Amino acid sequence: AQSVTQLDSHVSVSEGTPVLLRCNYSSSYSPSLFWYVQHPNKGLQLLLKYTSAATLVKGINGFEAEFKKSETSFHLTKPSAHMSDAAEYFCVVREFTSGTYKYIFGTGTRLKVLA
Amino acid sequence: DTEVTQTPKHLVMGMTNKKSLKCEQHMGHRAMYWYKQKAKKPPELMFVYSYEKLSINESVPSRFSPECPNSSLLNLHLHALQPEDSALYLCASSQDLGGGHTEAFFGQGTRLTVV
Repeated sequence: AQSVTQLDSHVSVSEGTPVLLRCNYSSSYSPSLFWYVQHPNKGLQLLLKYTSAATLVKGINGFEAEFKKSETSFHLTKPSAHMSDAAEYFCVVREFTSGTYKYIFGTGTRLKVLA
Repeated sequence: DTEVTQTPKHLVMGMTNKKSLKCEQHMGHRAMYWYKQKAKKPPELMFVYSYEKLSINESVPSRFSPECPNSSLLNLHLHALQPEDSALYLCASSQDLGGGHTEAFFGQGTRLTVV
């Protein structure tokens, strides 16, 4: 079974400083990986996805993620944090099982942005 | 239209009530999902429908009964729930294509409170 591990449950940054949210995956082949964001009492919004076309993936709102096979990582970054980035971030892997696909979530990282 | 619409947004029900949650998408997706999310936790998969057939049931208690009347609609029937079933219920859909890196689209969720 595939899984993702988010290494930090909470991350705090100051507004205008870089953001790094870490995710490691376990998969024996090329995984389908995603980052989603969830603002308080809201649904989940896709930030970006790994498509194997490029190891550096650009997403919405200035977020990027780099797929590193040698490190089994897919860390999310942003050069400059904004107050509106405060939210819960989930690293997600898609797995084929029982004849269909399911999306498996990491435990989440809560990002706090300080003024 | 890239939306997944869930109704109602909020629901309060007694332990002896019967209620239903509804989910609708018009993106032509053939896979639909129910997730349960407790506060400060990641979403947990409950059910997956693929081509209108139940593909995955993650050992969910029988007081939760899913239904997929057609390829655009997904219901979750609730009966004799317990207070610990109070949570945010999220519906999602995806293309469920073989291979590829298709993302799931999530609705805004139904906030369920069992009293």
